[in-house]
Amino acid sequence: EAQVTQNPRYLITVTGKKLTVTCSQNMNHEYMSWYRQDPGLGLRQIYYSMNVEVTDKGDVPEGYKVSRKEKRNFPLILESPSPNQTSLYFCASSPGWGGERFWDTQYFGPGTRLTVL
Amino acid sequence: DAKTTQPPSMDCAEGRAANLPCNHSTISGNEYVYWYRQIHSQGPQYIIHGLKNNETNEMASLIITEDRKSSTLILPHATLRDTAVYYCIVRRSYGQNFVFGPGTRLSVLP
Repeated sequence: EAQVTQNPRYLITVTGKKLTVTCSQNMNHEYMSWYRQDPGLGLRQIYYSMNVEVTDKGDVPEGYKVSRKEKRNFPLILESPSPNQTSLYFCASSPGWGGERFWDTQYFGPGTRLTVL
Repeated sequence: DAKTTQPPSMDCAEGRAANLPCNHSTISGNEYVYWYRQIHSQGPQYIIHGLKNNETNEMASLIITEDRKSSTLILPHATLRDTAVYYCIVRRSYGQNFVFGPGTRLSVLP
């Protein structure tokens, strides 16, 4: 089944303890992205990646790192989590360049609910 | 990417058509209109997208005005499971940042 998976789905941690949220897609998509969603602020893009080894900042990159060493995986790293990073996180992927156009239909994972105490 | 404006909320009776409007008056020629929805706290779900022609798929229809400054998403026979936040997004066919606005909260009422 074509899907985007995220792990863990739920995580409670403490301030300063490094963590990684994994994201994997099995659709051979070029483009991957991370979002966070907070009440009243909607979905905001953290980082995105147009292809392997190519990443760029979204709207709210501070406090996050990403890497894209292989096409299928796009982990989100919080080196020193703080309470203001408590949020619902979504990973997404889209096909990218196919033929003459960029296929931009994004497929989202189920979300990771992170609480930082 | 062009900015979009949507009503914050709408109600629709079950079984009736739900028509969700979106204003994108600053849209440029190479920008597509995308619609997504998010049911409760699930990951957003792609619905449909278009450039200038009207589009239809198994989920919905997208009507784009001739001047492309506004569009309407139509759910032909709304069910209770269509209750969700619907996002209208305008962006280039190639591109980087993907911006979600506050969307329209659609409530389908029995």
